[in-house]
Amino acid sequence: AQSVTQPDIHITVSEGASLELRCNYSYGATPYLFWYVQSPGQGLQLLLKYFSGDTLVQGIKGFEAEFKRSQSSFNLRKPSVHWSDAAEYFCAVGAHTGNQFYFGTGTSLTVIP
Amino acid sequence: KAGVTQTPRYLIKTRGQQVTLSCSPISGHRSVSWYQQTPGQGLQFLFEYFSETQRNKGNFPGRFSGRQFSNSRSEMNVSTLELGDSALYLCASSYNGGLGNEKLFFGSGTQLSVL
Repeated sequence: AQSVTQPDIHITVSEGASLELRCNYSYGATPYLFWYVQSPGQGLQLLLKYFSGDTLVQGIKGFEAEFKRSQSSFNLRKPSVHWSDAAEYFCAVGAHTGNQFYFGTGTSLTVIP
Repeated sequence: KAGVTQTPRYLIKTRGQQVTLSCSPISGHRSVSWYQQTPGQGLQFLFEYFSETQRNKGNFPGRFSGRQFSNSRSEMNVSTLELGDSALYLCASSYNGGLGNEKLFFGSGTQLSVL
């Protein structure tokens, strides 16, 4: 069965520090992988996506993610966090059989000055 | 281009009542999906509509239903509300979808509280 696990419920980092959010997936075929961000009171916004090809993908707002098939992971990274990055981050996998997505439970990011 | 619009923004209902939520997708988008978001559970897929037909359905009881109109606007209905239905209901649209590889555009959601 398809599933996504985000092991870290909450992460706190200092502004300017690097960030890595973990995501592990379970999917039978080559997955379509996504990272979305949700700011308070807002809907989700796509940060980046991976379908195939280069396993390191670049997204908006300076984020990047690396697909590692051997580890079934798709971790999100940012070299230097800004206070405006404080939000909830969701990893998702898309089902090849339709427009249906499986989301992780999210990681809440707090940025301290 | 206007984004995905969900109404109302907040709803308070009591157990046993029914509720209807509305979603207007981005102009030109034909696929509309609904998700339930609760703390600790993340987002769970309810169903997806395309060209007025339900194309995919998640694992929710029959109390949850939806429909899509010819202009792609969608409504979601929950009958016989239970306390556990309290959640943020998110609507998402995409142009075509179908293979799980299309970007979703989300609305801000309807926060439903069941008392």
